[in-house]
Amino acid sequence: GENVEQHPSTLSVQEGDSAVIKCTYSDSASNYFPWYKQELGKGPQLIIDIRSNVGEKKDQRIAVTLNKTAKHFSLHITETQPEDSAVYFCAASRGDDKIIFGKGTRLHILP
Amino acid sequence: NAGVTQTPKFQVLKTGQSMTLQCAQDMNHEYMSWYRQDPGMGLRLIHYSVGAGITDQGEVPNGYNVSRSTTEDFPLRLLSAAPSQTSVYFCASSRQGNAYEQYFGPGTRLTVT
Repeated sequence: GENVEQHPSTLSVQEGDSAVIKCTYSDSASNYFPWYKQELGKGPQLIIDIRSNVGEKKDQRIAVTLNKTAKHFSLHITETQPEDSAVYFCAASRGDDKIIFGKGTRLHILP
Repeated sequence: NAGVTQTPKFQVLKTGQSMTLQCAQDMNHEYMSWYRQDPGMGLRLIHYSVGAGITDQGEVPNGYNVSRSTTEDFPLRLLSAAPSQTSVYFCASSRQGNAYEQYFGPGTRLTVT
């Protein structure tokens, strides 16, 4: 069945360094690739998404890249800050009423 | 707008008890869903609804019932609680056809003893 694999499950980086989270998907019909951030004790919140007709998208310190041929997409956070500590979920959707989430990455920003 | 609201925030049940987790949204979203979140397992879809009067099963529906009598409300019922249902439950909503843009509630932490 359709699947989204996410790596790593845990990531620790020094404050100020960059963090990269990678995902692969199996459904070739997927064309929306959102990323969610879940802070402690809260529900996930959409932070950025990329569509299949775009290879890269940036929003301040966050960038997402997509390689449709290889079915890979990634989240890049530069100049990490303590408030970036959270669980991040990637997901894939065809743009209908179905979305498949990855299992999440717990990001720790070390002082 | 309040967005997606869930009650209660915390609940402790004994095995065999039943209860209803409440979820409401004020964004007029057609699509609503329930997820459970367990350590290392990510978000697993329990049930979803594409509109009032329409519900369907997700990945892990056993032991749970849902109904959708209005656009705003989507309660999740545990029929006979089991320790395996100890989890954090999230309700989410989105516009129809826009599942990639989900709005999540704050969650209900349920413990079954």
